[in-house]
Amino acid sequence: DAGVTQSPTHLIKTRGQHVTLRCSPISGHKSVSWYQQVLGQGPQFIFQYYEKEERGRGNFPDRFSARQFPNYSSELNVNALLLGDSALYLCASSQEGGGGDEQFFGPGTRLTVL
Amino acid sequence: GEDVEQSLFLSVREGDSSVINCTYTDSSSTYLYWYKQEPGAGLQLLTYIFSNMDMKQDQRLTVLLNKKDKHLSLRIADTQTGDSAIYFCAEISNQAGTALIFGKGTTLSVSS
Repeated sequence: DAGVTQSPTHLIKTRGQHVTLRCSPISGHKSVSWYQQVLGQGPQFIFQYYEKEERGRGNFPDRFSARQFPNYSSELNVNALLLGDSALYLCASSQEGGGGDEQFFGPGTRLTVL
Repeated sequence: GEDVEQSLFLSVREGDSSVINCTYTDSSSTYLYWYKQEPGAGLQLLTYIFSNMDMKQDQRLTVLLNKKDKHLSLRIADTQTGDSAIYFCAEISNQAGTALIFGKGTTLSVSS
């Protein structure tokens, strides 16, 4: 069975541009979460979606937005990129998104903002 | 606020035991997790413990939970060079859905 997949693997953008990152959860999983991992830090929670509805939001500016599609895949959008947005963006899927559900992480998208 | 603290580095010799420590702040956390991240890879769940447990053992891994002190530890027995990685402690946030709150990670270096 395929695990969580993310695309693209790597991305280079310049300040002020917009970026869209994509995530496909494990088949049968209905919840997707997004995390930002800056070099040398632990992942920071950005969003959680369950059944296409936003279930939780971390402390990130409105430049960050996301959505979940009927097939449970998800997109993370970041507008007006800043140098500080350079990070590894991780997507995690779980069956129901509840506290006891194991979250399976994808390999991440490495975003570099120049 | 919610915060998870870990020591940043640990160096051990192959065959020794490794103990990675973590403190957390949210006393209502129901689950606490240990994740492993190898270079260039995503996160792999190693084990988790429910808050009503004091200890959980899974092959070479032992997790100890002290709720009074909000202290969590991960012991790896007979540490191997393949265990070299970054280990993250995480708790469930009660403020944002069921988001995971991670520590900064402990880099474990195993020498032969």
